[in-house]
Order: sequence, then structure tokens, then C-alpha cells
Amino acid sequence: SQELEQSPQSLIVQEGKNLTINCTSSKTLYGLYWYKQKYGEGLIFLMMLQKGGEEKSHEKITAKLDEKKQQSSLHITASQPSHAGIYLCGARRGTYKYIFGTGTRLKVLA
Amino acid sequence: TAGITQAPTSQILAAGRSMTLRCTQDMRHNAMYWYRQDLGLGLRLIHYSNTAGTTGKGEVPDGYSVSRANTDDFPLTLASAVPSQTSVYFCASSDTDLSYNEQFFGPGTRLTVL
Repeated sequence: SQELEQSPQSLIVQEGKNLTINCTSSKTLYGLYWYKQKYGEGLIFLMMLQKGGEEKSHEKITAKLDEKKQQSSLHITASQPSHAGIYLCGARRGTYKYIFGTGTRLKVLA
Repeated sequence: TAGITQAPTSQILAAGRSMTLRCTQDMRHNAMYWYRQDLGLGLRLIHYSNTAGTTGKGEVPDGYSVSRANTDDFPLTLASAVPSQTSVYFCASSDTDLSYNEQFFGPGTRLTVL
């Protein structure tokens, strides 16, 4: 099984709707990264969370890391077609070793 | 700035043939990485390099080799390709001296081994 589990695997929402993507780890997270991947392209860094209870926002995207540091959520407010893509969470397992979730595919209907 | 470039964009390769995927970064990052991305399995680390001249194995290193002759380049070689190496390959880099140590990714190479 994956060390980082993401849910849902895919999501289709109407433009303007809010949505949440979850990332759950089987181990304590010491740094949780969120990336966005447009179809057929590389990953783009969104934000990183390090402390339990931490919350960060960038434009209409907010990410939180729970107090126990084993789960993170990514929330998009008033979704737009430009939000479509694959969202991946990632974590460090050592200075040079990273693991990633399998991703959540988001489609936003105009 | 270009960031990270990868070549080729895509390739179809006969099984048993060798191939080198190229990766170049212009950010002077000390660390570089190679991942493969497969449906249902996500991104998996193949090899990494923490500095020029030093490399390490990731989660799925078998069948792949890397070298890091200088800071900018990190080629990935498949000595004798097999169909299970059909995947999308991403190169990434990071500056491990920065607090976030986030990775910057290239656009990927789509490889099909027949």
C-alpha cells in the first residue's frame, strides 16, 4: 500500500464550487509538500507545511497540516477551470528521498 | 531562466536497446533526482545525486544508471531497455540548503519500450 494515500482519486466539480483533497500518511510527516501537475507536464510546487496545525494559503488554495502531522488537506475555494490538473502531496523521507501520493485528478466544468 | 530541461520529449525504443535521457538545470542546485511516473503508482524515485560526483539509489534503481559529472547535468541511462520501463520520466532538482528544499521539475520524457 502507498505510504501517502490521497483521496479522492478523481474529482469533477462545477466552476465556482469549493473542493477538498486529502493526503494521509502512515507515518509522522516532517514536511508535507503540495504540487500541481498539468496534464502532460511537470510538477509545480504550491506550498509546504512543516508544523502541526499549520495553514497556508496561495490565492484561492489553502492547505493545512493536522496537529498530529499525519494528514493534510488542500482546499480550493470557488474553483476555476485553471485549477484543473493533478494534485500530488509529497513528503521527505531523508534529505534526498521524497515520496509522493498517487495524485488527485481534478476537472472543473465551465 | 529555463529551470530544468529534459530531452527527448518522447521516445519509442526497441527492447534491448540502450538509451540516455538527458537533464540539465541552470539553477545551480546541489541535488538532482530522477523519477518515473506510472498510473496508479505515482512518482517513484529512481536515483538521486546530492552533489557533483556523488549519486545514490532511490526506490526503483534496477535497470537504470546515473552520473553527475558536473552541477548542471544528470543523465539517466537505460543499458538494455525492457517493456516494464515504459513510463514518463521526470528529472528534478533542489537546493538542500534552503529551508523548504522544494523540488523543481522538468517537463518529462515519455518513453515507450516495445
